[in-house]
Amino acid sequence: EIVLTQSPGTLSLSPGERATLSCRASQSVSNNYLAWYQQKPGQAPRLLIYAASSGATGIPDRFSGSGSGTDFTLTISRLEPEDFAVYYCQQYGSSPRTFGQGTKVEIK
Amino acid sequence: QVQLVESGGGLVKPGGSLRLSCAASGFPFGDYFMSWIRQAPGKGLEWVSYITTGNTFYADSVRGRFTISRDTSKNSLYLQMNSLRAEDTAVYYCARDRAVHAFDIWGQGTMVTVSS
Repeated sequence: EIVLTQSPGTLSLSPGERATLSCRASQSVSNNYLAWYQQKPGQAPRLLIYAASSGATGIPDRFSGSGSGTDFTLTISRLEPEDFAVYYCQQYGSSPRTFGQGTKVEIK
Repeated sequence: QVQLVESGGGLVKPGGSLRLSCAASGFPFGDYFMSWIRQAPGKGLEWVSYITTGNTFYADSVRGRFTISRDTSKNSLYLQMNSLRAEDTAVYYCARDRAVHAFDIWGQGTMVTVSS
């Protein structure tokens, strides 16, 4: 099983600032099948990025993903008020399809 | 529009059973893999199971107790949950599982509470 470790656990930033979230895998992610999801309280997760760096349909271009192998990054270039949420990475290149523990982006 | 709607959650005693359903609409259901994911209260996401056109896969935590299935004629996905434990308490989501595009569509979730 591939274990995903996200850091930091909590990121305190102000609107307009840049957010950088990390996801490290315990072994190489097959085909770089690494996704990022956003979840707000009481809502289902929403897909932001798939295959490490491809933006999902309708996702603003301030969200970008990068990385390969075992190290991946989600960057939010300029935080909007609606971006404060919890973010999860997930690998889906092998079974079981594991999730990271999440990073909470909160308003400073 | 493309939509997934879960149902069947509720309160069940430890050792009991429950069957969750996920109704799909707006896309050719039979062409896609589908997954179940759960989230315990205040916790992160945990993948539970997925089904392809002919195979099923399970997390170790549910293997032997949960069974995933689909009925293409009804555009529906199911999760039969047996021998339920307190630690199975969670919101259960179904999601469209695209091989390259990850879990691109999610339902709103259904709550399962296992308690005496």
